[in-house]
Amino acid sequence: NAGVTQTPKFQVLKTGQSMTLQCAQDMNHEYMSWYRQDPGMGLRLIHYSVGAGITDQGEVPNGYNVSRSTTEDFPLRLLSAAPSQTSVYFCASRPSTGTSPLHFGNGTRLTVT
Amino acid sequence: RKEVEQDPGPFNVPEGATVAFNCTYSNSASQSFFWYRQDCRKEPKLLMSVYSSGNEDGRFTAQLNRASQYISLLIRDSKLSDSATYLCVVNALYSGAGSYQLTFGKGTKLSVIP
Repeated sequence: NAGVTQTPKFQVLKTGQSMTLQCAQDMNHEYMSWYRQDPGMGLRLIHYSVGAGITDQGEVPNGYNVSRSTTEDFPLRLLSAAPSQTSVYFCASRPSTGTSPLHFGNGTRLTVT
Repeated sequence: RKEVEQDPGPFNVPEGATVAFNCTYSNSASQSFFWYRQDCRKEPKLLMSVYSSGNEDGRFTAQLNRASQYISLLIRDSKLSDSATYLCVVNALYSGAGSYQLTFGKGTKLSVIP
């Protein structure tokens, strides 16, 4: 059981470049989300989805887009990378029952120069 | 007031010691509570859920005080392998979003020293 899979593990971008961080889960979880983690800031919610075709903004959505065309996949797009987006990004999922814990992917370390 | 607040530490304790972490939360409508463990440069992993009556998993004991809005984690007989950052997580229904959202504390760093 793979759980939550994120790719790539590491990425270096130049300012202004765009890219997509991939996230897939094989647990048939309805809820998926993206967090970024910065030193001293903790985990902050970027976007989330409660099911295919449904997405919503979290705490820090600016500069990021998401879509949810299937239950399994929840990609995060950086439209025009900025140095402020240098961070560790985690994808996480959980069952539709609202009180369940999250299962995290291994993370993507992104550096924007 | 921060939604979920933890003492950042670090807590430096000798092997075999007992250590306790507290966490306070501001949303009185919070429904579920968790402790996660995060090793350096790794993803957070669920350590244990926290139930109203308190619960124990081996050397770990979690407690919830809804009236005072705090949860705690007690680690007995600390091992070197317990060195990590411990994240307090609170789940609440946000009416604007129409869904449950988890809010993470910034974590408490524990170092167990030989």
